Amino acid sequence: AQTVTQSQPEMSVQEAETVTLSCTYDTSESDYYLFWYKQPPSRQMILVIRQEAYKQQNATENRFSVNFQKAAKSFSLKISDSQLGDAAMYFCAYMRGGATNKLIFGTGTLLAVQP
Amino acid sequence: NAGVTQTPKFQVLKTGQSMTLQCAQDMNHNSMYWYRQDPGMGLRLIYYSASEGTTDKGEVPNGYNVSRLNKREFSLRLESAAPSQTSVYFCASAPNWRGPYGYTFGSGTRLTVV
Repeated sequence: AQTVTQSQPEMSVQEAETVTLSCTYDTSESDYYLFWYKQPPSRQMILVIRQEAYKQQNATENRFSVNFQKAAKSFSLKISDSQLGDAAMYFCAYMRGGATNKLIFGTGTLLAVQP
Repeated sequence: NAGVTQTPKFQVLKTGQSMTLQCAQDMNHNSMYWYRQDPGMGLRLIYYSASEGTTDKGEVPNGYNVSRLNKREFSLRLESAAPSQTSVYFCASAPNWRGPYGYTFGSGTRLTVV
């Protein structure tokens, strides 16, 4: 069975600095997708970024980028120029390709942004 | 605004009571999902509906039932609530059951069973 591991329950970053959140996953599949979701105190789940496993190029969305290491099964999220509004719980998630698209989530990393 | 609407947002139940969580989406999505979120455990899939007329169990289905009422609506029922079902429940939808679609989530229901 596929699993997603986020080994950092909590992290902290200074405003305007850069922070990297870690995620590893376990799968025997070659076709899959990886996601980062943000959950602010409002509880709303917001899709931050998505990576297709077949793409070698790392996905980027404005200040958010990923470091996708397929061989190592690692999918970290880098937040540049951190802002107070980035404070949230961040979930890494996996979806197997070519099958019913069920998301498997990690346990989350709570990010605090210090002014 | 287009999206996924869940009702209610908060609910307190006594052990043994029943209730239905409602979910509706207006994006013409085919697939819908129910997750529960517990501290330190992330989100776990309870049930899903790949398309109208179908439902399947997820990772933690015990104690729950679902109904895909039509393409828009997907409800989750607790027949006899237990304290272990205290959680935050999320409904989500995706354009289709197959493909690299991220979900659109509702705002969640915080359920407390006493």
